[in-house]
Order: sequence, then structure tokens, then C-alpha cells
Amino acid sequence: GIQVEQSPPDLILQEGANSTLRCNFSDSVNNLQWFHQNPWGQLINLFYIPSGTKQNGRLSATTVATERYSLLYISSSQTTDSGVYFCAFGTALIFGKGTTLSVSS
Amino acid sequence: GAVVSQHPSWVICKSGTSVKIECRSLDFQATTMFWYRQFPKQSLMLMATSNEGSKATYEQGVEKDKFLINHASLTLSTLTVTSAHPEDSSFYICSADTGANEQFFGPGTRLTVL
Repeated sequence: GIQVEQSPPDLILQEGANSTLRCNFSDSVNNLQWFHQNPWGQLINLFYIPSGTKQNGRLSATTVATERYSLLYISSSQTTDSGVYFCAFGTALIFGKGTTLSVSS
Repeated sequence: GAVVSQHPSWVICKSGTSVKIECRSLDFQATTMFWYRQFPKQSLMLMATSNEGSKATYEQGVEKDKFLINHASLTLSTLTVTSAHPEDSSFYICSADTGANEQFFGPGTRLTVL
């Protein structure tokens, strides 16, 4: 099956810092989505981004399908951004292992 | 975005009993729903795909007789963990497909089997 690698696995930031999270795929994927899982376990949809670039406030995402990767940018991070960020793809979603982000004030 | 509810939020049960978890799409109809399981500090693993009016499709290694899935309407899917054992303790999360290939997730159910 298709392998997905997320990096970095862990990230510690000071409030206000910017960060880039990455997903690499071993083959072409469809229906790529980014999620934030908050400390209570709720998965929050960030982006549905099979290709191109989207922005929503301090967050933006870019998927380059031909090069098999996707990036999630977080600018001016806040403590509420803490949690685990997952990329996932497919009709029945296959998840990466996630990036655990901790933002301290 | 679309809203998906899950009930109960958490449940504690004795070994050998059965537990039913409900997943509802509140503001849209979902022909397809999905069930995932997440162990501590791990990613989500797909258990099964639930299609309204037909049998669920289970992933390899998931026992269909142990994890019974029913999708009787376009807004409700249920997962029943039969004869639960401590190793079934986990975080169970459902999702619903809006029909536009985007999934929205319920808040999850934390199951603890004593």
C-alpha cells in the first residue's frame, strides 16, 4: 500500500513562532486532508486539499500532487494550536502518524 | 462545516459485556460512514466502512463478528463491541462522508473494559 511519512514527529514552539509540517507519500494520493486533533481527542478539519494552495487565517496548506507531498503552515502560533496534526488520504482515510505540536507561552 | 455526533462520549464496562456506540450526521445525509480506532499515542486506524443499507466492509484483521456495524439510515451508524475484553479498550471515532469526498469526524468514544 501507499506509505505516508509525516515530519517532524514532534515540534516545540514558543508562542508567535511559525512552523511547517510536511507529509510525503510514496505514490499519488487523492482526497488529501489535514486535521488537528485537540487534547480531548476531537478531530478538526483544517483543509481538504488534493492539490494547490488554500489559506484559512493563520493556517495555510499546499499540496504538490505531482511531487507527492503536502505542507501545512502555521504562522504566529498560539497555545491553542497545541495537539496532533494528521494528514490523511483516500476514500477511507489512511492517516499518517502525526506531528505532535506543543506551543508554550 | 458538517457536524457529526457520537454517543456515548465514554463508557466503562465489565469484561464479557457488549457496548453500542452511535454515530449520527446531524446536518447532512451520509451514505457512507467510517469507524476508526485509536490507541494511546498512536494514529487512527480504519476498522470498517459502513454503507447505508448494505453490509459493512471490514479492514484486514478486524473481526466482523466482534465489531458489529449497522447503518440503517442515512444519518445513523452504530458500532457494537460484542463480548468486550480489556484489549478492546480504546478510543473509537466515527466519521461521515459528505458526498464530496471530505470526511467529518465525531468527538469519539473512550471505551474502558475492566
